Amino acid sequence: QVQLVQSGAEVKEPGASVKLSCRASGYTFAGYYIHWVRQAPGQGLEWLGWISPNTGGRNYAQKFQRRVAMTRDTSITTAYMELTRLTSDDTAVYYCARGLYDRSGNWWGFDYWGQGALVTVSS
Amino acid sequence: SYELTQPPALSVSPGQTASIPCSGDKSGEKYGCWYQQKPGQSPVLVIYQDTKRPSGIPERFSGSRSGNVATLTISGTQAMDEADYYCQSWDSSVGYVFGAGTKVTVL
Repeated sequence: QVQLVQSGAEVKEPGASVKLSCRASGYTFAGYYIHWVRQAPGQGLEWLGWISPNTGGRNYAQKFQRRVAMTRDTSITTAYMELTRLTSDDTAVYYCARGLYDRSGNWWGFDYWGQGALVTVSS
Repeated sequence: SYELTQPPALSVSPGQTASIPCSGDKSGEKYGCWYQQKPGQSPVLVIYQDTKRPSGIPERFSGSRSGNVATLTISGTQAMDEADYYCQSWDSSVGYVFGAGTKVTVL
């Protein structure tokens, strides 16, 4: 069965960086983009960007372009998301999700999600 | 920019129909999808490509679109359907966008 298993909760001080992992299993890792989405406490969902496990290509939401880096290690079917220069506004649950596309590359949705990782930014 | 607008909350009686609209602010809307999120859980895809239901999603969930308004309909709403529902779409200028979410309460 498809699974995305994320690393655990993190507590960081303002100005620090955090790197989260998302280990995929149950499907061909290279065949599906991995997206990262966050949710601040009591708030809605916010998309950060995606990475192609096949090519390493990536696309970030403009809001995060200067602070986010997405990478992957195909040997262990794991995607990573690093966010730098953290502030209290970055306190949120961070999810990885698998992108669902048709054969023409048209996007359909995010069909599997990780369990989420809470990042708390506090001094 | 590109925004999706949903009502913040909606109440429905058990067995009745709940309809959640999601309005985009651009013409020529792309396909969209819907997620259900229960407290403390990850989102679950319930509708994709406006009208399609993933495997395992009950038939009481359906989607439709008219112009720039997508609608999620829950027919015969059950207590277990109480959750937050988010619409999502894609725009070439900003990427993947979510609506702010609709809290569905089953009274």
